[in-house]
Amino acid sequence: AQSVTQPDIHITVSEGASLELRCNYSYGATPYLFWYVQSPGQGLQLLLKYFSGDTLVQGIKGFEAEFKRSQSSFNLRKPSVHWSDAAEYFCAVGAWGFQKLVFGTGTRLLVSP
Amino acid sequence: DSGVTQTPKHLITATGQRVTLRCSPRSGDLSVYWYQQSLDQGLQFLIQYYNGEERAKGNILERFSAQQFPDLHSELNLSSLELGDSALYFCASSGGLAGGSNTGELFFGEGSRLTVL
Repeated sequence: AQSVTQPDIHITVSEGASLELRCNYSYGATPYLFWYVQSPGQGLQLLLKYFSGDTLVQGIKGFEAEFKRSQSSFNLRKPSVHWSDAAEYFCAVGAWGFQKLVFGTGTRLLVSP
Repeated sequence: DSGVTQTPKHLITATGQRVTLRCSPRSGDLSVYWYQQSLDQGLQFLIQYYNGEERAKGNILERFSAQQFPDLHSELNLSSLELGDSALYFCASSGGLAGGSNTGELFFGEGSRLTVL
């Protein structure tokens, strides 16, 4: 069965500092991986996705993620965090075709001035 | 704006009652998904419909049911409500199965917040 682990429940980063949010997945076949962001009172917005090819994927708002098959990881990164990045971030894994996504428990990002 | 519309945005009701949540997918999307987000369970997949047919089922209680209509909008029916059903219910849509307009991305609505008192 698919599963996703986001080991950090909360992370606090200073504005302008770099960010890395961790995501580990468990999936028997080739995974399709996603990062979504949820701002307070909002729905989920897709930041980026990985299906195949280049293991470093670029997304919106300056985010990127790297797929590492050997480590079953898909960590999200941003070189310089802005206060507006404060939100909850969800990693998800899915299977092509049905797209039933399994989400991690989320990491809440706090940005300090 | 994702293009997915959910109504109502907020709903307060009592235990034992029944409610219906409505979702209009993005124009052209054939698949609709329902997710429940609660503090203790996180985001849980409930059910998926594709072009009117049930396609996949997750952790959906027997008290809950859903359907997708010919115009592709979907409704999630929650009955015999319990305090623990209080949650944010999300609808998402996508282009459907592999191929065609399917980009692999789910587009989420802003959710319906259900409070059961």
